[in-house]
Amino acid sequence: QSVLTQPPSVSGAPGQRVTISCTGSRSNIGAGYDVHWYQQLPGAAPKLLISGDNDRPSGVPDRFSGSKSGTSASLAITGLQAEDEADYYCQAYDTSLTGSDVVFGGGTKLTVL
Amino acid sequence: QVQLQESGPGLVKPSQTLSLKCTVSGGSINSGGYDWSWIRQRPGKGLEWIGYVHYSGSTYYNPSLKSRFAISIDTSKNQFSLRLSSVTAADTAVYFCARVVRTSRKFDFWGQGTLVTVSS
Repeated sequence: QSVLTQPPSVSGAPGQRVTISCTGSRSNIGAGYDVHWYQQLPGAAPKLLISGDNDRPSGVPDRFSGSKSGTSASLAITGLQAEDEADYYCQAYDTSLTGSDVVFGGGTKLTVL
Repeated sequence: QVQLQESGPGLVKPSQTLSLKCTVSGGSINSGGYDWSWIRQRPGKGLEWIGYVHYSGSTYYNPSLKSRFAISIDTSKNQFSLRLSSVTAADTAVYFCARVVRTSRKFDFWGQGTLVTVSS
């Protein structure tokens, strides 16, 4: 069971908007730590998609955006494209006594219908 | 552009020790602003952070994992390594190395990953 909770799957048709949630707690997202998002295409390594809640590394389309509120964060993808079909992971820093320094969400599989 | 490349055996027998290396190119592993990390992904599962090492040699591990992991660094070769002792089939996974920005804890560059299978 992951410290950060994501829905196992989401889907959307091309051109639509989808969001992926990432729910944490007061020891990670709720403490104000940055949330980062990664995209993992099939058979590939994860790639940093969004950092520091809503900063896009060079080359990442502005169709991808992040937000954070309280103990949760969200990744939004607008104008969905077939090549967006991938697994998406959120990640943050955690300071709980039983938690680790780095925590990942369980991942969300995005299917483009 | 920083690049990371994992190397090591693809097949390890149960109870043996797994050793992997990560070679960093396009940047110095001596930079104080980064940690160097290992992450694994079991078949069909999510990402599991193992731990990281700083160029100073200090390490930190995921407390949720048993203490069979050891991460070390060789600054002269711009490499860092992972050792996992007493492997079992449950350690079969793709192992990734990555660079971690210390201030934000983001993993900004990743290796392509290497599949390690534990089987007799």
